[in-house]
Amino acid sequence: EPEVTQTPSHQVTQMGQEVILRCVPISNHLYFYWYRQILGQKVEFLVSFYNNEISEKSEIFDDQFSVERPDGSNFTLKIRSTKLEDSAMYFCASSPSSHEETQYFGPGTRLLVL
Amino acid sequence: AQTVTQSQPEMSVQEAETVTLSCTYDTSESNYYLFWYKQPPSRQMILVIRQEAYKQQNATENRFSVNFQKAAKSFSLKISDSQLGDTAMYFCAFRFASNTGKLIFGQGTTLQVKP
Repeated sequence: EPEVTQTPSHQVTQMGQEVILRCVPISNHLYFYWYRQILGQKVEFLVSFYNNEISEKSEIFDDQFSVERPDGSNFTLKIRSTKLEDSAMYFCASSPSSHEETQYFGPGTRLLVL
Repeated sequence: AQTVTQSQPEMSVQEAETVTLSCTYDTSESNYYLFWYKQPPSRQMILVIRQEAYKQQNATENRFSVNFQKAAKSFSLKISDSQLGDTAMYFCAFRFASNTGKLIFGQGTTLQVKP
């Protein structure tokens, strides 16, 4: 069964450094999402992406964040200058043909900012 | 703003027994989708079951079923014949029918299935 994959599984970085989190959505999916989960808290929406454009972003998704689909398979989340409060689990998700379809989540990247 | 509330932070159940997890939500929309996701210790979010608000019939997926009460804005998950592998955090989530697909999650309920 096709799966969403994410790399790396864990990332440790110093405050102020740039990080890129990578996702490979399911191959025939067209809609992509990033969510984050701070330890012990609920999962929060960051951004949705379709047709090489951001469809919607949350208040969390400020100028330090960007997303890109650099080729036909990868979907990346970049944090330009990490802060301590960016430490969280970041989940990528994708859905097939429209926003009405179920979202399938990847295993997550645990980011720790020191 | 739409909110999703799971009022039970933790629950436990004996293996083979039945357990019900509660979820309420707040919206003025009439058309939307509701989901239950499972997050085991491995941390991967796995879809358990989904419900379209326009459908009156409650969704069922093997041992998992929902009690969808649209007027009461309630969406509870029933797990029958609980298994040790059901131990996980369970999240209720809401999505508008016509938007960019953003999921709004509840706080989660940690379920422990005891042998």
